[in-house]
Amino acid sequence: QSALTQPASVSGSPGQSISISCSGSSSDIGAYDAVSWFQQQPGEAPKLIIYKVTNRSPGIPARFSGSKSGNTASLSISGLQPEDEANYHCSSHAGNSTVFGGGTKVTVL
Amino acid sequence: QVRLEESGGDVVRPGESLKLSCKASGFDFSSYGIHWVRQAPGKGLEWAAYVRKDGNFQNYGDSVRGRFTISRDNSRNTVYLEMNGLRVADTAMYYCTSGLMDVWGRGTTVIVSP
Repeated sequence: QSALTQPASVSGSPGQSISISCSGSSSDIGAYDAVSWFQQQPGEAPKLIIYKVTNRSPGIPARFSGSKSGNTASLSISGLQPEDEANYHCSSHAGNSTVFGGGTKVTVL
Repeated sequence: QVRLEESGGDVVRPGESLKLSCKASGFDFSSYGIHWVRQAPGKGLEWAAYVRKDGNFQNYGDSVRGRFTISRDNSRNTVYLEMNGLRVADTAMYYCTSGLMDVWGRGTTVIVSP
């Protein structure tokens, strides 16, 4: 049950596009179309924003999108907004378990 | 309103035990598996345990297997996490979340300190 690998931080100016990578293995991301992304504001519980690699949760703006290639998944935010500043976590099904990434802090400059 | 509410967090010594509860409301609780996910201070999320909707299957993360036990009482709409042999490294916010992780509670804090 090795953790997934995410960059510690990503930043961008309002209106720009950013991407967050989530690197796993052939036992998790590469084996299942079961990658999720969560947004977590300080002091709050995580919020599911993307599930099953590409599906947005209800109410999530279309500027958020997910993708996967091989053992790596990505979350893209286009037209970055100030309210997008938060921590973002990826997760993947991994057989009879779930693994998370270490989280990425997104800063809007 | 769909809701999960954790309780039972406390400050304990290493080696002691604690039992967390996760009370559900607003949905058909017995139709969904439930996870416990924890987050150490300033760290990322860590999956700890899962119980299937009927309570007959459980699975655990490597760091808690053999020490933690997840169970559920569908008549009370509640999932439990019994934690034995607590370690300083178990200090975290503990969240319960639905099987699809689309519903989360607000968490309960466990601090293990000598």
